[in-house]
Amino acid sequence: EDKVVQSPLSLVVHEGDTVTLNCSYEVTNFRSLLWYKQEKKAPTFLFMLTSSGIEKKSGRLSSILDKKELFSILNITATQTGDSAIYLCAVEASGAGSYQLTFGKGTKLSVIP
Amino acid sequence: DTGVSQDPRHKITKRGQNVTFRCDPISEHNRLYWYRQTLGQGPEFLTYFQNEAQLEKSRLLSDRFSAERPKGSFSTLEIQRTEQGDSAMYLCASCLAGAYEQYFGPGTRLTVT
Repeated sequence: EDKVVQSPLSLVVHEGDTVTLNCSYEVTNFRSLLWYKQEKKAPTFLFMLTSSGIEKKSGRLSSILDKKELFSILNITATQTGDSAIYLCAVEASGAGSYQLTFGKGTKLSVIP
Repeated sequence: DTGVSQDPRHKITKRGQNVTFRCDPISEHNRLYWYRQTLGQGPEFLTYFQNEAQLEKSRLLSDRFSAERPKGSFSTLEIQRTEQGDSAMYLCASCLAGAYEQYFGPGTRLTVT
């Protein structure tokens, strides 16, 4: 059974801090790993990673995948209160059971002024 | 707004009643997914369609749940004889075949009393 574990489950930081969110996975026939941000509504897409060692970057957010060690990290630099949200990691597998996403429980990030 | 839409946004029902939710995907997206999310958990896969064909259902999906996508556009999810354990956020997502990222709707929050 595919499994995604995120850590920490919750995190409180001050504005301006840098945070690193972790995601480890066990999946048969890995296809991709995705990061989503969820505020009080639907998850919104952040990154999709398929290859090891290639950093994806968008503004203050960046992410990288290690397919050998089966984990990914999401970095947020110079955090702002608007970054407060639940960050979800999901993996997609190819083959039987493909195309569905298996999500972790999420990391709840709270950024205080 | 050309994103994924869901209706209703909130539904309160008494145990034993039937409920039906609707999802309208992004118009050119041929894949449509249903997920369920409870407090403190990531979204959990329920079922998915490619065009009008339902290609996969979660083993966790009870016989009380049924989904349709009759013309390959909008989809409905029906829950018969609701139970308190069905209380959750029901999320719909869509994507293009071959694409990795799924785009989520705002969800329908179901409360069974």
